[in-house]
Amino acid sequence: KAGVTQTPRYLIKTRGQQVTLSCSPISGHRSVSWYQQTPGQGLQFLFEYFSETQRNKGNFPGRFSGRQFSNSRSEMNVSTLELGDSALYLCASSLGSRSTDTQYFGPGTRLTVL
Amino acid sequence: EDQVTQSPEALRLQEGESSSLNCSYTVSGLRGLFWYRQDPGKGPEFLFTLYSAGEEKEKERLKATLTKKESFLHITAPKPEDSATYLCAVLTGGGNKLTFGTGTQLKVEL
Repeated sequence: KAGVTQTPRYLIKTRGQQVTLSCSPISGHRSVSWYQQTPGQGLQFLFEYFSETQRNKGNFPGRFSGRQFSNSRSEMNVSTLELGDSALYLCASSLGSRSTDTQYFGPGTRLTVL
Repeated sequence: EDQVTQSPEALRLQEGESSSLNCSYTVSGLRGLFWYRQDPGKGPEFLFTLYSAGEEKEKERLKATLTKKESFLHITAPKPEDSATYLCAVLTGGGNKLTFGTGTQLKVEL
């Protein structure tokens, strides 16, 4: 079974731009969660989508948004990029029917903001 | 607010030298504790899930245990390929939000 895939793997943007990251979950998984990983803060939860609805949200500003499509693929968008948004963005998928289902992570998208 | 603390931050072992990593947590209503392994430049790889105090899980040289306040990841006779950052995370409240510790960076040398 193919794992979680994320595209692109690397991105370089400048301050003020916006960016869209994509995540394809494991086949059959309906929940997709997004996390931001930085050396200073570690892994922090951004939001979770299940059946095209945002089910949970972390403490990030409104510049961070996401959506999920009917095939469970998800995108996250960051508008008006700031230097501090440089991070590894990780997507995780799970079956989603129970919230205790294991989350499996993709390889991440490395975003650099200049 | 849920808190997860991992210790030590970094650990250097000789091949075959067994040790334990600690994950202590302060949460309201633990619904699951997860261990992941992360190699540089890659996403976390799932290792174990523990749901209740007293539970233990094993996989090759790794064994995870859980009490009401902490979890241990025991590494028996480690090999260089066990070198990685080990992350623990707790699931609390509603939904699928994992709260992560900052990890233990393990290096196993020949």
